[in-house]
Amino acid sequence: DTEVTQTPKHLVMGMTNKKSLKCEQHMGHRAMYWYKQKAKKPPELMFVYSYEKLSINESVPSRFSPECPNSSLLNLHLHALQPEDSALYLCASSQAGGSQGEQFFGPGTRLTVL
Amino acid sequence: KNQVEQSPQSLIILEGKNCTLQCNYTVSPFSNLRWYKQDTGRGPVSLTIMTFSENTKSNGRYTATLDADTKQSSLHITASQLSDSASYICVVTGGYQKVTFGTGTKLQVIP
Repeated sequence: DTEVTQTPKHLVMGMTNKKSLKCEQHMGHRAMYWYKQKAKKPPELMFVYSYEKLSINESVPSRFSPECPNSSLLNLHLHALQPEDSALYLCASSQAGGSQGEQFFGPGTRLTVL
Repeated sequence: KNQVEQSPQSLIILEGKNCTLQCNYTVSPFSNLRWYKQDTGRGPVSLTIMTFSENTKSNGRYTATLDADTKQSSLHITASQLSDSASYICVVTGGYQKVTFGTGTKLQVIP
């Protein structure tokens, strides 16, 4: 299995809602990533988990809360989002937390905040 | 500051023609450079990865080159197909797991 899966594919939420994005991989990768991508822009790194511990937080607002329950799963909990948070949220994984590991990306979750 | 710049920003070519996309970077230290293809609304898919010692790598109709001295890379697409229409992103990895994404080139192949 060389796939990173993400659910849901699309999500529409209000500013007062609480929702979660899910990401799963079964490649034995020990590093997992969350990216945010706005239209016509490259992905922007949000969080990196290495061996199930948060290793990088790129100054992301606290309304985004990541969680890594085990080495195969990565969640992104959303609360009190703003319309400008609407974007494509990409999950990725790689073999190790180091710079040599190629990142495999999931298909993304298209988030719309009303 | 680590930067990765790509050119052109967008490109339209006829089906069957060749094209070359450019990537210039200032990332230091350098670990590797990857080219990704991203279809609209989908996650990026890796095409090639090159380390410091590699200067050419092919993947089917895609051929990437790397000049580590001038910090330039190119992606050459041969005999383009309609399915090549996508954004192509150059990604450079430096030290301390730092990954820098390029601005991307949007390619449109028309019949």
